[in-house]
Amino acid sequence: DTGVSQDPRHKITKRGQNVTFRCDPISEHNRLYWYRQTLGQGPEFLTYFQNEAQLEKSRLLSDRFSAERPKGSFSTLEIQRTEQGDSAMYLCASSLGVPGQGARSRAYEQYFGPGTRLTVT
Amino acid sequence: TQLLEQSPQFLSIQEGENLTVYCNSSSVFSSLQWYRQEPGEGPVLLVTVVTGGEVKKLKRLTFQFGDARKDSSLHITAAQPGDTGLYLCAGLSGTYKYIFGTGTRLKVLA
Repeated sequence: DTGVSQDPRHKITKRGQNVTFRCDPISEHNRLYWYRQTLGQGPEFLTYFQNEAQLEKSRLLSDRFSAERPKGSFSTLEIQRTEQGDSAMYLCASSLGVPGQGARSRAYEQYFGPGTRLTVT
Repeated sequence: TQLLEQSPQFLSIQEGENLTVYCNSSSVFSSLQWYRQEPGEGPVLLVTVVTGGEVKKLKRLTFQFGDARKDSSLHITAAQPGDTGLYLCAGLSGTYKYIFGTGTRLKVLA
């Protein structure tokens, strides 16, 4: 098990361009999350997948943002028509939610990837 | 809106000193996790606490979950420069959503 991986680690783009990030979760994890983090702040929730279903999307996510998780494995996060305010660290995390096992369980521990640092110039 | 407030926001101490970081909320959480994050990297999970009143120790780090599962603390004994980083608490709300704290940036000076 190599943990959660993200690609690319860094992305510099010009305003107005589209970007796509990829996340590969821990293989047996059925839950996948995307967060955005700005300097010195805690991660902000963007969206959540259980298997291939996107079950929640934050109001922070404008219609320029879209995420997919085809086949319930890796996920992609796309930002269209990037703006300077999109500059941030984009973090992916995964966890193993076990139906029937209470949420007060370490099976719900969340593991993060190294993040993708986006800079929009 | 659920919030987790951490205090202090910043902490700069000398090597060998002790410190405590607090994570407080008015909401009840199913479990609570603590992470440490270094610049340019993702948060690394340190511990998960699930039972009200639970205390967990990892070497020089002691974590406590409040009896009512609304708050938590992280105590570091004899801090070392390698403890430097951003400490984050995250509460599990319901069955899948994690609410993150505002973070405590710790710097330990040699």
